[in-house]
Amino acid sequence: DSGVTQTPKHLITATGQRVTLRCSPRSGDLSVYWYQQSLDQGLQFLIQYYNGEERAKGNILERFSAQQFPDLHSELNLSSLELGDSALYFCASSVDLSGIRQFFGPGTRLTVL
Amino acid sequence: AQRVTQPEKLLSVFKGAPVELKCNYSYSGSPELFWYVQYSRQRLQLLLRHISRESIKGFTADLNKGETSFHLKKPFAQEEDSAMYYCALNQSFGNEKLTFGTGTRLTIIP
Repeated sequence: DSGVTQTPKHLITATGQRVTLRCSPRSGDLSVYWYQQSLDQGLQFLIQYYNGEERAKGNILERFSAQQFPDLHSELNLSSLELGDSALYFCASSVDLSGIRQFFGPGTRLTVL
Repeated sequence: AQRVTQPEKLLSVFKGAPVELKCNYSYSGSPELFWYVQYSRQRLQLLLRHISRESIKGFTADLNKGETSFHLKKPFAQEEDSAMYYCALNQSFGNEKLTFGTGTRLTIIP
């Protein structure tokens, strides 16, 4: 077990709604990464936080936002949801900035109806 | 911009046959490359890194800078190798994110 936890496991919601996905990194890890995994686009990097600060941004839509709290857990907020946002959202953590070894959580499966 | 290409979405191989999962990258600097694997109902996990030059579960991958490739190979496939495989690239020095390929689903036929 890598120690990264994500809640909830599954989320079903309707278009136009807003949801929050939560991630707790491994103990001692300061970096948190968010990824979106969809059937047609594979695994896409969304955003990274390190010790509370945003460090890198990938293909993250403006409707999406994230933050990392002082206790190092992170939340990914998805708003004005569209059908195409249905995907598996992974969180990963690593001990430092390099991201060389990232440990992944089990993912949150989001279904937008 | 860095890019990772895995040309095969699906790959089926008979048990005992050799496996090669292709990965090509584009990056002007000196990259670090990885293979991640996701077994059924398990989380994504690191399989191997090119820097380590290791063999994990019988898999090896050699970085070929001339061909900008990092293909994953195993001489004799086993049923438990069935999984989703992702090639990933990390720029050296200063970039903290991994760029993943779209993945290849490997199915080992008994």
